[in-house]
Order: sequence, then structure tokens, then C-alpha cells
Amino acid sequence: DAMVIQNPRYQVTQFGKPVTLSCSQTLNHNVMYWYQQKSSQAPKLLFHYYDKDFNNEADTPDNFQSRRPNTSFCFLDIRSPGLGDAAMYLCATGQGGQETQYFGPGTRLLVL
Amino acid sequence: QKEVEQDPGPLSVPEGAIVSLNCTYSNSAFQYFMWYRQYSRKGPELLMYTYSSGNKEDGRFTAQVDKSSKYISLFIRDSQPSDSATYLCAMKEGGRRALTFGSGTRLQVQP
Repeated sequence: DAMVIQNPRYQVTQFGKPVTLSCSQTLNHNVMYWYQQKSSQAPKLLFHYYDKDFNNEADTPDNFQSRRPNTSFCFLDIRSPGLGDAAMYLCATGQGGQETQYFGPGTRLLVL
Repeated sequence: QKEVEQDPGPLSVPEGAIVSLNCTYSNSAFQYFMWYRQYSRKGPELLMYTYSSGNKEDGRFTAQVDKSSKYISLFIRDSQPSDSATYLCAMKEGGRRALTFGSGTRLQVQP
């Protein structure tokens, strides 16, 4: 089945220790998104790639970076995680010209 | 004021009930409206997608959009315990890629 895959599903890191979250997709969509979702809150868009074109949301902290080496993969790097970065990180994909987005299962990040 | 308002619930109903979930919004530029279902500790799953005002039905689910009132609804008929989840509304302006989500309504269907 075509899908969006996120690894790991759970990630524990230490305060200030860099962490990378991974997303891959078999849908062959040209847009990939990263959202942050804190408990009982709406998912908040951090940034997205349209093909190789990176688009950052204005209020995304510099601590968050992303890489998309090819169509299938996208990474979220958190350079110095703080306690406030503990959240579920959701990857989504979409096709340019279509309005819907398809989400992966998420990575739950815990910062100690 | 948030762009999209959604009652957090929880909303508890008996099995077989008709469920009504709602969102209001303030941005008149929203043209595309979606409902996602999110089970605990899982990613959101797209349930319904509508463009502009009107109704759309898919099995037990009906989505309604009233742009004049800036109000959207999701109805679930013959609700099942497996429908217990958080339901997120999401909206999008034409020509933009970002979705704006509500914070979700938690639904519990009691057997």
C-alpha cells in the first residue's frame, strides 16, 4: 500500500542533544510537510518542501531545520532540543495542485 | 482569537447515535475544508474533503460547509465504538499549501 512512514515512532533525547527524525513516502508526492503537535493542540506547520524548494513558516524557530535529499525522503533536524520541543512530529505529503494532505503515524519526541 | 475554533469535548454518545461535530472560522479566504480522524498516538487520517459551500456524503459520514456563516460540520450516523477518536477540522486558502487546523474534538462512543 502507498503510505507515509516515519521513523522512529518514539524518540527520547537529552536537553541540547541534536536529534533527527525521518519521513519517507511511497505516494510519489512532490510536496512534503512537517508539523508539530503538542498534547490536545492543533498540528502546527513548521515548513514544507515543494520538490526541492524549501518553505519555512515565519514563526518556526531556527532550532528546527529540514533536508529533502530526494522525492521519497525528508528529515527534520532539531539542533538543540529544549523541554518545550517535546511533542508529536507529523510528516505529511501532498501533490501540487491538489488540496489534501496525507499524514504518517508521527514520531513522539521526549526531551529529558 | 484563533482562526479556527473547535470545541475540545469530550463528547460522549451511546452506540448508534448521530454525532455532530462543528468548527467555526474567521478567515473568509478559506475555500477548502477537510475533516481528519486521529486515534490516540497516531497520525491524522483524512475522512472528508469539500470545496466551498455545500454537502458531501460518504457512507456514514456527511460533511457540511456554510461559508456565509463560516461554519462547518461533520455528521456521523449510526456511531460505533470504533469511531472513538479525536476529530480535527482543517481548512486551506486557495493558492496556499498550509492547512490551518482546529484543535480537535474528542469523541467517545459508548457500547
